Amino acid sequence: EAGVTQFPSHSVIEKGQTVTLRCDPISGHDNLYWYRRVMGKEIKFLLHFVKESKQDESGMPNNRFLAERTGGTYSTLKVQPAELEDSGVYFCASSRDWNSGNTIYFGEGSWLTVV
Amino acid sequence: AQTVTQSQPEMSVQEAETVTLSCTYDTSENNYYLFWYKQPPSRQMILVIRQEAYKQQNATENRFSVNFQKAAKSFSLKISDSQLGDTAMYFCAFPPYGGATNKLIFGTGTLLAVQP
Repeated sequence: EAGVTQFPSHSVIEKGQTVTLRCDPISGHDNLYWYRRVMGKEIKFLLHFVKESKQDESGMPNNRFLAERTGGTYSTLKVQPAELEDSGVYFCASSRDWNSGNTIYFGEGSWLTVV
Repeated sequence: AQTVTQSQPEMSVQEAETVTLSCTYDTSENNYYLFWYKQPPSRQMILVIRQEAYKQQNATENRFSVNFQKAAKSFSLKISDSQLGDTAMYFCAFPPYGGATNKLIFGTGTLLAVQP
């Protein structure tokens, strides 16, 4: 069974540009999450999809970030325009159910550097 | 506020020895789960072990075990017979709202280096 896959693995963009990160969850997982780790700090929750609906987007930092999951399969996270403080690792994760004991499977992360 | 604290940014251990990574947390919930995740270099973050707060028995998964002290809100990870493949960043995490959701709060991580 394929795991959670993320693309690109690394991205370097200039301030003001746009970047789109993609996540393919494990097949059959209705729940998809985005997290972010800014260097040296903790991993922080961004948002949670249940199928194509946003269940919780309380962690999205501002309106420069747009997440979509059309069709309830893969998801994209767009940052537009990117700022220096957006640099970090963006993790995608998925789970079959969303009760708190359920295992969440993570991808390798997309490293974003804004210069 | 719901928080997770990992006070050891980096640790080193010799191969075959035992190491303990510390984690403390704060919550007003009574029933919840706690997790340790590891992320090896350039690899996926994977679940190492989980503990249910209502269970008094400490969870064990092969060489990995936890020391769960609910009253002290402490959740340390012990790795026995350390192997080179255990080199990774280790994160302690828990869902802050008990059983209502599995949105996770993470600590800042401990970078563990296993030396040959």
